[in-house]
Amino acid sequence: NAGVTQTPKFRILKIGQSMTLQCTQDMNHNYMYWYRQDPGMGLKLIYYSVGAGITDKGEVPNGYNVSRSTTEDFPLRLELAAPSQTSVYFCASRHRHEQYFGPGTRLTVT
Amino acid sequence: AQKITQTQPGMFVQEKEAVTLDCTYDTSDQSYGLFWYKQPSSGEMIFLIYQGSYDEQNATEGRYSLNFQKARKSANLVISASQLGDSAMYFCAMRGGNQFYFGTGTSLTVIP
Repeated sequence: NAGVTQTPKFRILKIGQSMTLQCTQDMNHNYMYWYRQDPGMGLKLIYYSVGAGITDKGEVPNGYNVSRSTTEDFPLRLELAAPSQTSVYFCASRHRHEQYFGPGTRLTVT
Repeated sequence: AQKITQTQPGMFVQEKEAVTLDCTYDTSDQSYGLFWYKQPSSGEMIFLIYQGSYDEQNATEGRYSLNFQKARKSANLVISASQLGDSAMYFCAMRGGNQFYFGTGTSLTVIP
């Protein structure tokens, strides 16, 4: 039982490039979340999903897109990367009131 | 608007003593959940404790307890008998509907 896995662990992007952050969970949870954590700050919700085929915006969705074609996978797409998207990205799944977090992806945009 | 406020950027506690980390929240929802998470220097997020807005008793999980004062909109975390391994960032969070809102965190240092 791997829980929530995220790839890659680290990535450096040039301004204007695009990339997809992968998130997979093997716990059959319906709810999944993407957060970003800027240095010295708490987590901010980017997008979330309540089940396959259903996604919705969180607090800071601009510059990102998501899809949820299966229960297991919830990829986050960055289009036209900007320095303001330099952050640590966490994916999580939820069962009842407990969230299970992945280890995070550290992204730098230069 | 939903908001979580943690006013203590850093706290120090002597080993084996108790410490209280403050958290206040703002919401107009009747039903909501309050959470505390621990983030060690390794970076992972660890769930500690949960309190539902309709729960009448304060939540406890081992050495962690949540002091829930609904009228004051506060949800303070109490850690009893602090251990060196408790040194970490602590985040208060609230769930409103399907969304989560986090505070800016409190850095706790346990002194031997």
